[in-house]
Amino acid sequence: DAKTTQPNSMESNEEEPVHLPCNHSTISGTDYIHWYRQLPSQGPEYVIHGLTSNVNNRMASLAIAEDRKSSTLILHRATLRDAAVYYCILPTQGGSEKLVFGKGTKLTVNP
Amino acid sequence: KAGVTQTPRYLIKTRGQQVTLSCSPISGHRSVSWYQQTPGQGLQFLFEYFSETQRNKGNFPGRFSGRQFSNSRSEMNVSTLELGDSALYLCASSLASGGNEQFFGPGTRLTVL
Repeated sequence: DAKTTQPNSMESNEEEPVHLPCNHSTISGTDYIHWYRQLPSQGPEYVIHGLTSNVNNRMASLAIAEDRKSSTLILHRATLRDAAVYYCILPTQGGSEKLVFGKGTKLTVNP
Repeated sequence: KAGVTQTPRYLIKTRGQQVTLSCSPISGHRSVSWYQQTPGQGLQFLFEYFSETQRNKGNFPGRFSGRQFSNSRSEMNVSTLELGDSALYLCASSLASGGNEQFFGPGTRLTVL
């Protein structure tokens, strides 16, 4: 399973942008980059995923480095509801839905 | 569309007992995965079922087992419970057609006394 590295914690102020980094230097050419988050007392929820190009959806943007060895999840305007643990994951290839969760980044949003 | 449901939401058992947890995936989803979450180990993959067959298994003892029914509903069973089995057990479902997002349920909080 390809490994990812994320900072343990980050802090942001409400309504400011947040950039959550993830390093995945051993990524293979076919590995997608997925982001999930887990709000307090809830199960994880999917945020976004991408392969090579930058991706946007209603929740966030995903910026992928040209060499694909790192990526950044961007929350354009953080709200208190965005306080969560964010996980960067490279899903297992080969016909399985297995996700390997690291420790993720705990995001604190200050009012 | 209804989300992933898990029952029961909370459970208290004593050491040596066994427990069965249930998961109903989103309609149309064929893959169901189970995860254990503890403060010390974080989220760990238990196993995945697809079309009633176990497709992948994590590194857990044989006391942990599961199955999937023809309607894609899944159950997991833990026998001979130990104190260390106290955890949040999460179920996730997906379309299983590669690279798809997984949808997690709220989890079952198991406490072993």
